[in-house]
Amino acid sequence: EPEVTQTPSHQVTQMGQEVILRCVPISNHLYFYWYRQILGQKVEFLVSFYNNEISEKSEIFDDQFSVERPDGSNFTLKIRSTKLEDSAMYFCASTVTGGQTQYFGPGTRLLVL
Amino acid sequence: QKEVEQNSGPLSVPEGAIASLNCTYSDRGSQSFFWYRQYSGKSPELIMFIYSNGDKEDGRFTAQLNKASQYVSLLIRDSQPSDSATYLCAVNGGSNYKLTFGKGTLLTVNP
Repeated sequence: EPEVTQTPSHQVTQMGQEVILRCVPISNHLYFYWYRQILGQKVEFLVSFYNNEISEKSEIFDDQFSVERPDGSNFTLKIRSTKLEDSAMYFCASTVTGGQTQYFGPGTRLLVL
Repeated sequence: QKEVEQNSGPLSVPEGAIASLNCTYSDRGSQSFFWYRQYSGKSPELIMFIYSNGDKEDGRFTAQLNKASQYVSLLIRDSQPSDSATYLCAVNGGSNYKLTFGKGTLLTVNP
């Protein structure tokens, strides 16, 4: 069964460094999302992406964040200058059409020191 | 601010019992409702979704939706220890279909 994949599974970085989190959505899906979950807290929406552009972003998704679909398969989240509070699990999700079920990748655990 | 509220639990039930999980949401425009299961350190895994008022059954799971009361529930029949996890209620309905999650209810099924 097709699934969303994410790399790396874990990333440790120093405060101020740039990180790129990668996702490969399910191949026929058209809507892509990034969510994050700080330890012990709820899953929070960051950004949605459709037709090669951002369709919605949350207040968390400030100028330090960017997303890109550099080719036909990858979907990336870049954090330009990481902060301690960026430490979280980051989940990529995708869906065929907007209102349908979103399927989540296994996540990247980001730790900023 | 769109909110999704869940009782954080923990909810503890004996093996074989029915577990009942509840969720309320604030946005009357919400259209789709999802239940995800999340094991510790893992990603959300879809259990089932519901769009229309009433009940929807899938194996041991039944989702119930009451849009007038802005209430969604999940019943798990014949609970098993492997059902022990955090259950996340999620709602969407905005133009870009983002999911708004509740904090989740921790369910423990005791053998």
